Amino acid sequence: GQQVMQIPQYQHVQEGEDFTTYCNSSTTLSNIQWYKQRPGGHPVFLIQLVKSGEVKKQKRLTFQFGEAKKNSSLHITATQTTDVGTYFCAGPDNYGQNFVFGPGTRLSVLP
Amino acid sequence: EPEVTQTPSHQVTQMGQEVILRCVPISNHLYFYWYRQILGQKVEFLVSFYNNEISEKSEIFDDQFSVERPDGSNFTLKIRSTKLEDSAMYFCASSHRGGGYEQYFGPGTRLTVT
Repeated sequence: GQQVMQIPQYQHVQEGEDFTTYCNSSTTLSNIQWYKQRPGGHPVFLIQLVKSGEVKKQKRLTFQFGEAKKNSSLHITATQTTDVGTYFCAGPDNYGQNFVFGPGTRLSVLP
Repeated sequence: EPEVTQTPSHQVTQMGQEVILRCVPISNHLYFYWYRQILGQKVEFLVSFYNNEISEKSEIFDDQFSVERPDGSNFTLKIRSTKLEDSAMYFCASSHRGGGYEQYFGPGTRLTVT
């Protein structure tokens, strides 16, 4: 079945440093979504990428979808303590109806 | 802003007991989902529901699980005979469209099986 992997598993950064998490799928994806889960919270939708090579920005967050549509990345510029949480990528399963979540990257930001 | 709600926030039950987790999806959404997340682990898909029937289910969603939309607003997950390994956070989500449209998650129900 489809597998979605993420690296790194954990990342500790000093406030102000940049952060990147990478997502890789074993199969080509029709689209990919990113979610953020704060400690003790629930996943919150961040963005959806659909097109090959697509790049989208949300303030300090930059999302990329690979040319082959099998990988994606999330880059945060100048991290803040409010960025703390686990970032999950999620891609549609083989039927295209539901999402398989990656294992997530847990970000800690030291003030 | 509309949101998905879930009750209870925490449920403690004894092994072998039945539990029902309740969710109220966003009112104009048509697709409903249940996920679970064992502490510190990833979000795992359980089941999706559309047009009053299950559209997809995972291997986790075995005969002990069932879902129902008893009325126009509630969406429930029933676990017939709970096991210790069912202890997890259970999230309900809803979306306006299927096929990868953004999903809105509820705050979750923490199920503890003793």
